Amino acid sequence: EVQLLESGGDLVQPGGSLRLSCAASGFTFSNFAMIWVRLAPGKGLEWVSAISGRGDTTYYADSVKGRFTISRDNSVDTVFLEMNSLRVDDTAVYFCAKGPLSYPSYCYLDHWGQGTQVVVSS
Amino acid sequence: EIVMTQSPATLSVSPGERATLSCRASQTFSSNLAWYQHKPGQPPRLLIYGAATRVTGIPARFSGSGSGTDFTLTISSLQSEDVAVYYCQQYNNWPWTFGQGTKVEIK
Repeated sequence: EVQLLESGGDLVQPGGSLRLSCAASGFTFSNFAMIWVRLAPGKGLEWVSAISGRGDTTYYADSVKGRFTISRDNSVDTVFLEMNSLRVDDTAVYFCAKGPLSYPSYCYLDHWGQGTQVVVSS
Repeated sequence: EIVMTQSPATLSVSPGERATLSCRASQTFSSNLAWYQHKPGQPPRLLIYGAATRVTGIPARFSGSGSGTDFTLTISSLQSEDVAVYYCQQYNNWPWTFGQGTKVEIK
């Protein structure tokens, strides 16, 4: 059974940093793209970032480009999201999700984690 | 960026009746469209991909159709457990984009 478990969400001040983690199990982690998606209060789902199975291809939403960095460690089946220069509008539940292919192209999300809450507030 | 517009924002349907959810794209593409169901406190769940392919284990009352700019998710006979927000997502062009969601409730 595919399982994705996010952690690292917290309350942080504007301008601060956080590192989210997503531990995966139940599938051959290195064979699949991994994606971060967020759900802000009162809004819909938004893609944040995606990374290929080997970690050599990454995508970012314009809203986070230059501030967020996605990475993965295939030796421990974990994907990370390093978030810097956080803004109030980054407040959201952040979900980790798995893609159906190794590369994040033509990518829907076939399994999701429970999410981790990030609150950016002074 | 492809903008996805879902309608209606809220859909009230009697148990056993049909629910029809619409998703319209700002640019045409073939079938790289997915539908998700999201219940409070749970992660979103993939229902449909490729516009019409139902995920294994998803009840047959859920079906997807459409291509180009107009896509539809149909719940043929609404059950109480189908109360949720439903999102469409295009994965034809980066950035992948979601619709704003349709909330389905029991009348």
